[in-house]
Amino acid sequence: QKEVEQDPGPLSVPEGAIVSLNCTYSNSAFQYFMWYRQYSRKGPELLMYTYSSGNKEDGRFTAQVDKSSKYISLFIRDSQPSDSATYLCAMSEVPPPQKLVFGQGTRLTINP
Amino acid sequence: DVKVTQSSRYLVKRTGEKVFLECVQDMDHENMFWYRQDPGLGLRLIYFSYDVKMKEKGDIPEGYSVSREKKERFSLILESASTNQTSMYLCASKMNTEAFFGQGTRLTVV
Repeated sequence: QKEVEQDPGPLSVPEGAIVSLNCTYSNSAFQYFMWYRQYSRKGPELLMYTYSSGNKEDGRFTAQVDKSSKYISLFIRDSQPSDSATYLCAMSEVPPPQKLVFGQGTRLTINP
Repeated sequence: DVKVTQSSRYLVKRTGEKVFLECVQDMDHENMFWYRQDPGLGLRLIYFSYDVKMKEKGDIPEGYSVSREKKERFSLILESASTNQTSMYLCASKMNTEAFFGQGTRLTVV
């Protein structure tokens, strides 16, 4: 079993829809939870991160962490064609060097 | 802005060649990482380094080695390239929470 599981999609939705992306994990020592966005032919860029459980909002993006269920989510409201990308969840434990463990990535397409 | 620069965007090498992938970061980060990215498998950690001359194996180190002689530079070495090492290779540097990635090197071994 992989430490981090993410549905690879692909996921295709119309512009303006609410998008929900999810990951599950098995390592209870994970404390930092991140979402990276990767455009085609580019390296991943950090979108949001959360420490421990809870919600975090940044504009149209909301990240949720439920440590009791070992489940994290990223919600995108009012989705735009420019949101079309691969979204990767990543997690790490607290002690340095805090190596990141990634999910498989979900390829998302927002259709105009 | 933090910059992580990988020496090549695209490389084509022959089976059995020794291949060097170079990565340089300009933010004095202590931690550097090499990942490979394959469809359906996500990013898998090959090696990482938390200090000069220090290295640790990741999840898939077989067939690879690394070198970190200076803080800003982390090199990935394919000792004898094989076709199953055809992949996208991503370098990252990290301080605290955020990892910064390079643009990636798409390596094809023929």
